Amino acid sequence: NAGVMQNPRHLVRRRGQEARLRCSPMKGHSHVYWYRQLPEEGLKFMVYLQKENIIDESGMPKERFSAEFPKEGPSILRIQQVVRGDSAAYFCASSRGGADQPQHFGDGTRLSIL
Amino acid sequence: KNEVEQSPQNLTAQEGEFITINCSYSVGISALHWLQQHPGGGIVSLFMLSSGKKKHGRLIATINIQEKHSSLHITASHPRDSAVYICAVRQGAQKLVFGQGTRLTINP
Repeated sequence: NAGVMQNPRHLVRRRGQEARLRCSPMKGHSHVYWYRQLPEEGLKFMVYLQKENIIDESGMPKERFSAEFPKEGPSILRIQQVVRGDSAAYFCASSRGGADQPQHFGDGTRLSIL
Repeated sequence: KNEVEQSPQNLTAQEGEFITINCSYSVGISALHWLQQHPGGGIVSLFMLSSGKKKHGRLIATINIQEKHSSLHITASHPRDSAVYICAVRQGAQKLVFGQGTRLTINP
């Protein structure tokens, strides 16, 4: 019973390139959350998705960032035209939904911008 | 002021000591999580609490809803317990709001 799988574990991009981060939730989980951890800072909520729907994107930067969770396949966090300030660890979590269900976290993707 | 405050920010102790990490929050919540993060590593969910107390091995978590306060205790601490411990509260449907974390170092 695999946990939340994120790939890649490490991603290096040059300024101006695109970064795609993938998250496969645990089996049976249809709710996905993305969080960002900037260097020496705490975790911050970015976006909450259910299959094919964005439920809450209040933590997403207004430009260059987008997220999707298609009917088939992993959830994708996409960052266009990356800048140095995007360097961070990006964590995905999943749950079954419901107030009594815990969120299970992946190992994160460490994004470095050159 | 952060919605979730943890104390202390850093804690160093000797192996075998009893450890307490505190978390206070200022918003209404549906649940509180304690998470563990090793350097450069992933995040492991230790507990999810909405009331009372939970115990798992040497770890104990308590929450007082009226006082908006939770504690994480580690009994008989061990160097492998060295990690960052993060308190997170769930607001509304699902969103988590995190504390800044407590960096725990247990020396042999």
